[in-house]
Amino acid sequence: DQQVKQNSPSLSVQEGRISILNCDYTNSMFDYFLWYKKYPAEGPTFLISISSIKDKNEDGRFTVFLNKSAKHLSLHIVPSQPGDSAVYFCAAIQYGNKLVFGAGTILRVKS
Amino acid sequence: ETGVTQTPRHLVMGMTNKKSLKCEQHLGHNAMYWYKQSAKKPLELMFVYNFKEQTENNSVPSRFSPECPNSSHLFLHLHTLQPEDSALYLCASSQWMTSGTYEQYFGPGTRLTVT
Repeated sequence: DQQVKQNSPSLSVQEGRISILNCDYTNSMFDYFLWYKKYPAEGPTFLISISSIKDKNEDGRFTVFLNKSAKHLSLHIVPSQPGDSAVYFCAAIQYGNKLVFGAGTILRVKS
Repeated sequence: ETGVTQTPRHLVMGMTNKKSLKCEQHLGHNAMYWYKQSAKKPLELMFVYNFKEQTENNSVPSRFSPECPNSSHLFLHLHTLQPEDSALYLCASSQWMTSGTYEQYFGPGTRLTVT
């Protein structure tokens, strides 16, 4: 049973527009959430994170929103750039540093 | 070298072979991890080492044997693997925290093919 779900396998966005990647989770004990980005032939790269005590965290073009009541988080990328094209993984963690990953969403930014 | 490095990047081995994957982190972290990524599946945690002690074994078959001689190095010894073990094996490191941030930093992975 997947505790972290990314229901959209892929997303295509025009350059300059907003990309919204979504993630749902089932375990209410998760207290920290992360987004990773992965290019082909490379390992995942940490992008941005959010603690369960917050509902928003922003870092440049990237903003993560957390809705605990809905057990939902989203990553907004504004404006989207062709170099953002990659696989994006949502991950969640509870005490013990054990990351649980979603299956990933492929983002394609068209120029 | 910076970050997390893994060798080899690609490995093809027969089911009767014995091989080892190596990971080294240059970040001063005290926790290291092995993950497996199979095609179209989420990353699966295999092993966790915290201060060189194994703290997690996620029901991994004994044909995978980890070794952590110090907090900077991690090995995954492989023997009598099956074709379904073909996958991308990723190493990661982090600073073990009881609270606060939990970012893990990944290496580029080893693409393993078992024939």
